[in-house]
Amino acid sequence: QVQLVQSGSELKKPGASVKVSCKASGYTFTRYAVNWVRQAPGQGLEWMGWINTHTGNPTYAQDFTGRLVFSLDTSVDTAYLEINGLKADDTAVYYCARGQNFFDYWGQGTLVAVSS
Amino acid sequence: DIQMTQSPSSLSASVGDRVTITCRASQDISYYLAWYQQKPGKVPKLLIYGASTLQSGVPSRFSGSGSGTEFSLTISSLQPEDVATYYCQKYYSDPYTFGPGTKVEIK
Repeated sequence: QVQLVQSGSELKKPGASVKVSCKASGYTFTRYAVNWVRQAPGQGLEWMGWINTHTGNPTYAQDFTGRLVFSLDTSVDTAYLEINGLKADDTAVYYCARGQNFFDYWGQGTLVAVSS
Repeated sequence: DIQMTQSPSSLSASVGDRVTITCRASQDISYYLAWYQQKPGKVPKLLIYGASTLQSGVPSRFSGSGSGTEFSLTISSLQPEDVATYYCQKYYSDPYTFGPGTKVEIK
C-alpha cells in the first residue's frame, strides 16, 4: 500500500535550519510529484511547493522563495524539505503529499517548533 | 494569484441533515478543484477532485459540483464521523492554493 513516512518532530532556534524527510513506499516514486504543505497551529493548509521526482526540478511558492530547498534521493525513494533561516512563525506541522496537482496520499506530518 | 474563499467558515447541523459548503475562486479555474477533509488531529484526506469526481473509498454521501469560479461540496446526510474541517484547493496552475476551510460540527 502507498505510504509516505516522515521524519520526527524538531525543535529549533530562530535562524537555524531544519531538514524534514518523506520516505515513499508502495508505488514507483519517480512517477508522482511530491508536494509540501504546512499547517500552523490552529490554522489552515498552506501549499509550499513541489518537486518533480523524475527530473528533480523544484517549484517553490512565492512566499517561501529563497528559504526553502526541496531535494530527492531516488535511491531510497525519499524527498526532503529544508528550511533555512527559521522564524517563530515557521512553527507548524509540515506534510509531504503525493500528486501532480491534487494530493491523494499524505505523510503523517512533522512538527517543527521554532523557539528561543 | 488566484484567491480561494469558502463559506460558511463554520456550520453546525444535525445528524441526517444535508450540508453544503461553497468555494469560490477569484478567476476561472475550470474544473481544477479538489476537496479535502481534515478530522481533528488527523492528516487531510482527499475527497473529490476534478470538482466532482469522488476519490476511491469515499462514501457516496459526499458529492461535488461546479466549474469556473463557483463550487460546492455537499454531504447528503451528515454523519457524526463527518465532523471535520473541509478545504477546497485549486490546481488550475500553481500556486495550488487552499481555501481557508469550513469547520463542520454536529448540533
